[in-house]
Amino acid sequence: QVQLQESGSGLVKPSKTLSLTCAVSGASISSGDYSWSWIRQPPGKGLEWIGYIYHSGRTYYNPSLKSRVTILEDRSKNQLSLNVTSVTAADTAVYYCARIARSPTAHYYMDVWGEGTTVTVSS
Amino acid sequence: DIQMTQSPSSLSASVGDRVTITCRASQSISNFLNWYQQKPGKAPKVLIYAASSLQSGVPSRFSGGGSGTDFTLTISSLQPEDFATYYCQQSYGNPLTFGGGTKVEIK
Repeated sequence: QVQLQESGSGLVKPSKTLSLTCAVSGASISSGDYSWSWIRQPPGKGLEWIGYIYHSGRTYYNPSLKSRVTILEDRSKNQLSLNVTSVTAADTAVYYCARIARSPTAHYYMDVWGEGTTVTVSS
Repeated sequence: DIQMTQSPSSLSASVGDRVTITCRASQSISNFLNWYQQKPGKAPKVLIYAASSLQSGVPSRFSGGGSGTDFTLTISSLQPEDFATYYCQQSYGNPLTFGGGTKVEIK
């Protein structure tokens, strides 16, 4: 059974860097069958896709966040990381990591999600 | 960016009702459309991918349809555990985008 578990700084001061980790168990992030994504959800609002990383290590970021976001993989620990620099109150959200599956017809969807971790930006 | 618009934003329904939620894309996305269910305090869960393919383990009362710009999620007979918020999401192009959500409440 594949499980994802987010962890990291729950309270971040404005202008600082938000750092989160997603530990993956039951699957290898090195596998070519999946990609891995980060999504966030501000309090009481909808879902916003942040970016994803392919098994090759190639990344794609949402242009709305691109200049501030970095997604990395640590294959030795089988985990992903997310850094968001220069945070403001608008970055306060629940942050989720998710696995992106590919169907036989080349459709991509997020089939396994972590439980999410809450990050608050406040001084 | 491809904008995804859901309607209604909320609805009230009774157990046993047939419920349909609509999602419209700002441009044609073929059938690159997924549906997720989210309950309060929980992560989203995929219900439908590729517009109409039922994810393994999801009850058959859920169905999806549509192609191009207009899509639907239908719950044939609403059950107590189906009261939740539903999101559509396009996977046609980057950035991936979600609809604003439809909250299904108890009548």
